[in-house]
Amino acid sequence: SQQGEEDPQALSIQEGENATMNCSYKTSINNLQWYRQNSGRGLVHLILIRSNEREKHSGRLRVTLDTSKKSSSLLITASRAADTASYFCATDRAGANSKLTFGKGITLSVRP
Amino acid sequence: EAGVVQSPRYKIIEKKQPVAFWCNPISGHNTLYWYRQNLGQGPELLIRYENEEAVDDSQLPKDRFSAERLKGVDSTLKIQPAELGDSAVYLCASSLEGTNSNQPQHFGDGTRLSIL
Repeated sequence: SQQGEEDPQALSIQEGENATMNCSYKTSINNLQWYRQNSGRGLVHLILIRSNEREKHSGRLRVTLDTSKKSSSLLITASRAADTASYFCATDRAGANSKLTFGKGITLSVRP
Repeated sequence: EAGVVQSPRYKIIEKKQPVAFWCNPISGHNTLYWYRQNLGQGPELLIRYENEEAVDDSQLPKDRFSAERLKGVDSTLKIQPAELGDSAVYLCASSLEGTNSNQPQHFGDGTRLSIL
């Protein structure tokens, strides 16, 4: 079963615009992570936010976490054509048997 | 630093045949994961190793799937016999410690398996 659900499923924007992707989850977490996957490649870790953190930045990436709403958002500012990829949120669920559970992903297309 | 290496990249076999995948994790990473990713879905964990011990294999279909991590480094994942529904990308990942320690996972490029 998949804990995280990303929204929207697909996003198409113009180069230079900002891209906002959302993730909702169901159970308590230790942390939430965002990964990128280019076509035919493995996943690349982008950013990790712990359950006691509310916002984190890394370059053009900004991640927020709202544990009361069980949701997170990933903002990519000043998007580039090279940002075209699938983006996944993954949750590390709290509990004795926690493991990383991925959502279905968001397909981002950045038009040059 | 060399990344996670998987082979082969692609494998096409007929149903009921055996198949094996190989993974070499990043040096020093004691945790190794095998995932299966179906088309249009996120990866789903099959098995997690801490060194040579399988600590979570609850999602591994044990009637046909097996895995090993000898000496706590390289790992192989085997399917015997393969079924049509096994067509997917099999991803290997590694990390410094288990998921509880807030460590990111590093993925290989996967093996794309097609069952005819």
